[in-house]
Amino acid sequence: GEDVEQSLFLSVREGDSSVINCTYTDSSSTYLYWYKQEPGAGLQLLTYIFSNMDMKQDQRLTVLLNKKDKHLSLRIADTQTGDSAIYFCAERSRGFKTIFGAGTRLFVKA
Amino acid sequence: GAVVSQHPSRVICKSGTSVKIECRSLDFQATTMFWYRQFPKQSLMLMATSNEGSKATYEQGVEKDKFLINHASLTLSTLTVTSAHPEDSSFYICSASSISGKELGNEQFFGPGTRLTVL
Repeated sequence: GEDVEQSLFLSVREGDSSVINCTYTDSSSTYLYWYKQEPGAGLQLLTYIFSNMDMKQDQRLTVLLNKKDKHLSLRIADTQTGDSAIYFCAERSRGFKTIFGAGTRLFVKA
Repeated sequence: GAVVSQHPSRVICKSGTSVKIECRSLDFQATTMFWYRQFPKQSLMLMATSNEGSKATYEQGVEKDKFLINHASLTLSTLTVTSAHPEDSSFYICSASSISGKELGNEQFFGPGTRLTVL
């Protein structure tokens, strides 16, 4: 079945870049998403990429997609303490079902 | 983006009682709403998908008689946890989409979540 995997923790210093990685198994994925969840809150869509793209940049966020390897990454430039949160990778393939990874907890040290 | 609200944000109830959680799309009509459950430090688990005016489609392993979902209007879906037990304690999150889902690119907008604690 479909599966999305990502590392559980990442710690960076303020001002450095953060790179969060994700792998997925469904080759028919059409959209891939990055969501941010702050403590006790719902999910906020950060960015998404179509499966026929290999890169998308949005201000401090850069998404890279390697469709051959089914690998997705999210780079946050100039990481700030306010970026500390859980980041979920998700993919949508056939129909409308979205599969989420377990989330990567980003710690930003001042 | 579009706004989705949930009510209540937090609820504590006694074992054996039923709890209703509301999910509303505030500035758009949601043809499809999703209910997720999130355990501490874990990902979201899709419980069911509901389309306005029709019965919800439950994921495997989710008891439809325990988790009653009603999507009676294009702006409101409710999840009722019947005869709640402590193991039902969790963070419940809804999301809504304004398109049927068959087109590409439609986005899900997430509510802020409801924390249910069953004593």
